[in-house]
Amino acid sequence: AQTVTQSQPEMSVQEAETVTLSCTYDTSESDYYLFWYKQPPSRQMILVIRQEAYKQQNATENRFSVNFQKAAKSFSLKISDSQLGDAAMYFCAYRSANYGGSQGNLIFGKGTKLSVKP
Amino acid sequence: SQTIHQWPATLVQPVGSPLSLECTVEGTSNPNLYWYRQAAGRGLQLLFYSVGIGQISSEVPQNLSASRPQDRQFILSSKKLLLSDSGFYLCAWRGQGSYGYTFGSGTRLTVV
Repeated sequence: AQTVTQSQPEMSVQEAETVTLSCTYDTSESDYYLFWYKQPPSRQMILVIRQEAYKQQNATENRFSVNFQKAAKSFSLKISDSQLGDAAMYFCAYRSANYGGSQGNLIFGKGTKLSVKP
Repeated sequence: SQTIHQWPATLVQPVGSPLSLECTVEGTSNPNLYWYRQAAGRGLQLLFYSVGIGQISSEVPQNLSASRPQDRQFILSSKKLLLSDSGFYLCAWRGQGSYGYTFGSGTRLTVV
């Protein structure tokens, strides 16, 4: 079974600085998708960025970018120019590219709580 | 556009009482539907998923059940709540052939 590990329960960053959140995963599959979700105090789950495993190029969405290392099974999130509104729980998630049965379900890490200091 | 509605937003229920949480999706047909639970300070745990009307798969044995009486309606239920059922419940949907999930706004359930 696939697993997702976020080794940093909490992180802190100064406003306008850069922070990197770590995520590793374990899978025997070659085709899958990876996601970073943000959960602010409102508890709404918001998709931040996603990466298809078959793509070598790292995904980027404005101030958010990932470092996808397929061989190392690592998927870190970099937040540049951190803003107060970035403070939230961040979850890394894995999904098999196989749509059959439960294999298409999202598997989440336990999350990293990010604080942004003014 | 597709939207997902989940209610109620908060709920306080006594131990032993029944539960019914509802989730509906608009603007799509035959979505895959999911119920997740998030305990305090923990990640999301998949409880149930459904790939079609009347088709429910359970991931974790528990005091809860799910039903899908209509294509875009997903209901989470319990006949008798336990204290351990407290948590934050999230509904999500994914379109057929799509790899993106969209989450509802969640229900905070407190069992007292």
